[in-house]
Amino acid sequence: GENVEQHPSTLSVQEGDSAVIKCTYSDSASNYFPWYKQELGKGPQLIIDIRSNVGEKKDQRIAVTLNKTAKHFSLHITETQPEDSAVYFCAASIDSSNYQLIWGAGTKLIIKP
Amino acid sequence: EPEVTQTPSHQVTQMGQEVILRCVPISNHLYFYWYRQILGQKVEFLVSFYNNEISEKSEIFDDQFSVERPDGSNFTLKIRSTKLEDSAMYFCASSEATPLAGLVYNEQFFGPGTRLTVL
Repeated sequence: GENVEQHPSTLSVQEGDSAVIKCTYSDSASNYFPWYKQELGKGPQLIIDIRSNVGEKKDQRIAVTLNKTAKHFSLHITETQPEDSAVYFCAASIDSSNYQLIWGAGTKLIIKP
Repeated sequence: EPEVTQTPSHQVTQMGQEVILRCVPISNHLYFYWYRQILGQKVEFLVSFYNNEISEKSEIFDDQFSVERPDGSNFTLKIRSTKLEDSAMYFCASSEATPLAGLVYNEQFFGPGTRLTVL
């Protein structure tokens, strides 16, 4: 079955700098890749997603890139702000699997003032 | 903005007791899910539910677990005889999954979770 690996487990960046979180997946049939942000005591919140027919997607300071050949996708956050501090999860899904999300282990992003 | 709600926020129970975790998905959503997150570990898929039946379930979702949509709004997860290892955060999610131009969207919206503590 699908396996999603996520790196790094912790990332500390200076406020205003960029942050990059990387994920790899094993099943080439995966075609949907969401990123979730989880703040302390809250449920995961979808921040951006990408489908396999697209290589890159951007939403203001957040962007996601997908390399289907290498089976990896990345989250890029530019001009980081203190409120970006949270745990970020990548996930992968196959439409034919009734949309079951397989999750990465999470990255704790710390924005230093 | 519509959101998924879950009750209770925290449930403490004795080992062997039954618990029911409740969720109210977003009203026009068609797919419903339960996930769990043991402290410090990955979020794990438990079960998906569509058209009043289970669509898919993981190995974790054994005979001790069941799901139900008792009315038009609630979606419940029941654990019949809780074990210590069931202690985790349980998240409910829902998605619209509307076919659009040949593609099927899978944006899943999560509730705030129920922290289950089994003593």
